Amino acid sequence: ETGVTQTPRHLVMGMTNKKSLKCEQHLGHNAMYWYKQSAKKPLELMFVYNFKEQTENNSVPSRFSPECPNSSHLFLHLHTLQPEDSALYLCASSQAIQGAYEQYFGPGTRLTVT
Amino acid sequence: AQSVTQLDSQVPVFEEAPVELRCNYSSSVSVYLFWYVQYPNQGLQLLLKYLSGSTLVKGINGFEAEFNKSQTSFHLRKPSVHISDTAEYFCAMEGGTSYGKLTFGQGTILTVHP
Repeated sequence: ETGVTQTPRHLVMGMTNKKSLKCEQHLGHNAMYWYKQSAKKPLELMFVYNFKEQTENNSVPSRFSPECPNSSHLFLHLHTLQPEDSALYLCASSQAIQGAYEQYFGPGTRLTVT
Repeated sequence: AQSVTQLDSQVPVFEEAPVELRCNYSSSVSVYLFWYVQYPNQGLQLLLKYLSGSTLVKGINGFEAEFNKSQTSFHLRKPSVHISDTAEYFCAMEGGTSYGKLTFGQGTILTVHP
């Protein structure tokens, strides 16, 4: 595998389910990000991790719970979601968060909440 | 507050014609500027970036952009487009000490017709 991978690519879940999204980067980067891409809205930064430590939580509801066990892996745990949470969730990584390093994006997980 | 505005939500153009996708930003501090492209069912890919120095920036796939500080703009151009350039294009900004925190515009869908 190369670059940034995300699994699953598609996920349908009910509002009472618990599921997790997984992101893995094979680039040796130290920073990882979660973004939400909804129709008709700009990409929204959700979380930033730098060397496994969370440095940014952009006022994300607690039904989204991130986890970064190491610099290569990032998870987004989901529980009791709402239909408005249906979106494309993108993971990204960069060498560092300082100095405008390029962010490399995964293909995303298309989430549908029913 | 920092913001990015992409002035056109959709731009149709014929193959081999020139194209310009417009982006304006608002920030009280110096910024880094980026253009990303998203092909269907894929993540975002960096086209080019402006960090400092020459205001004309050349990127991949024949794209270029010009940073204009007085007009707070960063328009993307290509002198001759191909069918394969059909995609959604995002302008993004990272400002001041907001390390890793990209602010995205709403996106412009470029459709190249034969």
